[in-house]
Amino acid sequence: QKEVEQDPGPLSVPEGAIVSLNCTYSNSAFQYFMWYRQYSRKGPELLMYTYSSGNKEDGRFTAQVDKSSKYISLFIRDSQPSDSATYLCAMSKGESGANSKLTFGKGITLSVRP
Amino acid sequence: EAQVTQNPRYLITVTGKKLTVTCSQNMNHEYMSWYRQDPGLGLRQIYYSMNVEVTDKGDVPEGYKVSRKEKRNFPLILESPSPNQTSLYFCASSFQGLGYGYTFGSGTRLTVV
Repeated sequence: QKEVEQDPGPLSVPEGAIVSLNCTYSNSAFQYFMWYRQYSRKGPELLMYTYSSGNKEDGRFTAQVDKSSKYISLFIRDSQPSDSATYLCAMSKGESGANSKLTFGKGITLSVRP
Repeated sequence: EAQVTQNPRYLITVTGKKLTVTCSQNMNHEYMSWYRQDPGLGLRQIYYSMNVEVTDKGDVPEGYKVSRKEKRNFPLILESPSPNQTSLYFCASSFQGLGYGYTFGSGTRLTVV
């Protein structure tokens, strides 16, 4: 079983839809959870960051972590064509040093149709 | 502008011909890392460096070398490239290795024929 599993996609939604992206993981040592967004021909950029269980909201984006289920989600409200990108979940065991190594999901490509 | 700069952006080479992909950051970050991204496999760490002269293997180090002689630079060296190293490569840096502080370069697409 891979440490981090992410729905493979691709995913296509109409503009204005609510998007739900999910990852599961097997290693209970993961404490820090991130979502990166990657546009075509660009490097990943940090979108959301959460420590341990709970919710975090930033504008149209909400990150959710359920450590008991080893499950994380990213919700995008009122999706826009500019949200079309590949979304990667990532997690680490520590905040800094060697434990901060990121383990990534494979990524899901989202397309928002105008 | 704070950034990680990789060169070249695109490279086609032949099997066995040594090559170097350069990476430079202007944020005074201690931590730098190289990843490769392949369809169906996602991002996998090749090597990382916690500081000058301190490097360590990631998940897929075979066939690669790195060096960290200066804080800002972290080149990736392929001594004898093979077709299975055809991939999209990313350099990343962060302050003290903070996972949520990674800044990625724009990538180097390497094709080995």
